[in-house]
Amino acid sequence: KAGVTQTPRYLIKTRGQQVTLSCSPISGHRSVSWYQQTPGQGLQFLFEYFSETQRNKGNFPGRFSGRQFSNSRSEMNVSTLELGDSALYLCASSILGGHTDTQYFGPGTRLTVL
Amino acid sequence: KQEVTQIPAALSVPEGENLVLNCSFTDSAIYNLQWFRQDPGKGLTSLLLIQSSQREQTSGRLNASLDKSSGRSTLYIAASQPGDSATYLCAVPFSNTGKLIFGQGTTLQVKP
Repeated sequence: KAGVTQTPRYLIKTRGQQVTLSCSPISGHRSVSWYQQTPGQGLQFLFEYFSETQRNKGNFPGRFSGRQFSNSRSEMNVSTLELGDSALYLCASSILGGHTDTQYFGPGTRLTVL
Repeated sequence: KQEVTQIPAALSVPEGENLVLNCSFTDSAIYNLQWFRQDPGKGLTSLLLIQSSQREQTSGRLNASLDKSSGRSTLYIAASQPGDSATYLCAVPFSNTGKLIFGQGTTLQVKP
């Protein structure tokens, strides 16, 4: 069974631009979560989607948004990029989400903001 | 507020040694605890998930234990190999949601 895939793997943007990241979950998984990883803050939760609905949201500004499609694929969008948005963005999928499932992570998208 | 701590931040051992990585959490009312491995610049690989009703989980040379009452989990790696070199992270769900709260990780180096 194919794992979680994320595209693109690397991105370089400049301040003020916007970016869209994509995540395809494991087949049969309906929950997708997004995390930001930085050396200073570690892994921080952005949001979780289940059946096209945002179920949980972390403490990030409104510039960070996401959505989920009917095939469970998810996209994350960051508008008006800031230097501090440079990070590894990871998505994770699980069968039903929530607190009981094992979460499986993708390889991440490395975003660099110049 | 749930906080997850991993000490030490870094660990270096010679090949073949058995070792223990530590994870502590402040709120003992957890549903489960998950251990992950992360290689440099890569995503996270799930190693073990221990449900709150369990005390141990084993996978190959890895054994994870959970003591909710003391707010601690340990990951035991037997007969360490250079290929075990990576950062190991533990995480617990926030309340009954899918949001994971991670520790800062322990970076392990196994020297040949």
